[in-house]
Amino acid sequence: DAGVIQSPRHEVTEMGQEVTLRCKPISGHDYLFWYRQTMMRGLELLIYFNNNVPIDDSGMPEDRFSAKMPNASFSTLKIQPSEPRDSAVYFCASILSGISGGAGRGDTQYFGPGTRLTVL
Amino acid sequence: GQNIDQPTEMTATEGAIVQINCTYQTSGFNGLFWYQQHAGEAPTFLSYNVLDGLEEKGRFSSFLSRSKGYSYLLLKELQMKDSASYLCAVRDRRDDKIIFGKGTRLHILP
Repeated sequence: DAGVIQSPRHEVTEMGQEVTLRCKPISGHDYLFWYRQTMMRGLELLIYFNNNVPIDDSGMPEDRFSAKMPNASFSTLKIQPSEPRDSAVYFCASILSGISGGAGRGDTQYFGPGTRLTVL
Repeated sequence: GQNIDQPTEMTATEGAIVQINCTYQTSGFNGLFWYQQHAGEAPTFLSYNVLDGLEEKGRFSSFLSRSKGYSYLLLKELQMKDSASYLCAVRDRRDDKIIFGKGTRLHILP
């Protein structure tokens, strides 16, 4: 298995531009998470999906951020317009939930390699 | 809500033992994870505890006390490659959210 795939790995853009980050979860996994990591705030959960449906987006910092999961094998995180304070590493992670439903006991999150975003 | 605390940095010597503590507050506990993250890389899974007690996995062990909201990760026979950040994460029973602490940067000295 190729693991969780994210693209691009690095993105440098100017303030005000639109940024789209992409994620392909591990095949068959039914939960997908988007995280943002900075030195100051650590790893923050932005939003997560279950079976392509957004479950909780309370971590999305503001309306400039949006995420979609049009099918089980693809998700995007979009920032429009981008600002310098959005500079961070953005990780996508996926889980195959337990048979009992929900993210069951011991389900391991598999993280993608991350996208390092720099907004100038 | 949830709150997770762990030390920011620790230093230990190659071959020694180190214990990284994590305390948490959550409304609905449903498991605690430890992840390792090397600089510039993604977090990788180390251990999972949902019941009280010690889980041992090679050189690494993880302990949980639910009544105290406390866990620790024990690393034995430290190697230089163990220099990394160690993240404590807690799952909330109500919504399956997995919330991470800010991590502990572990420095290993020769």
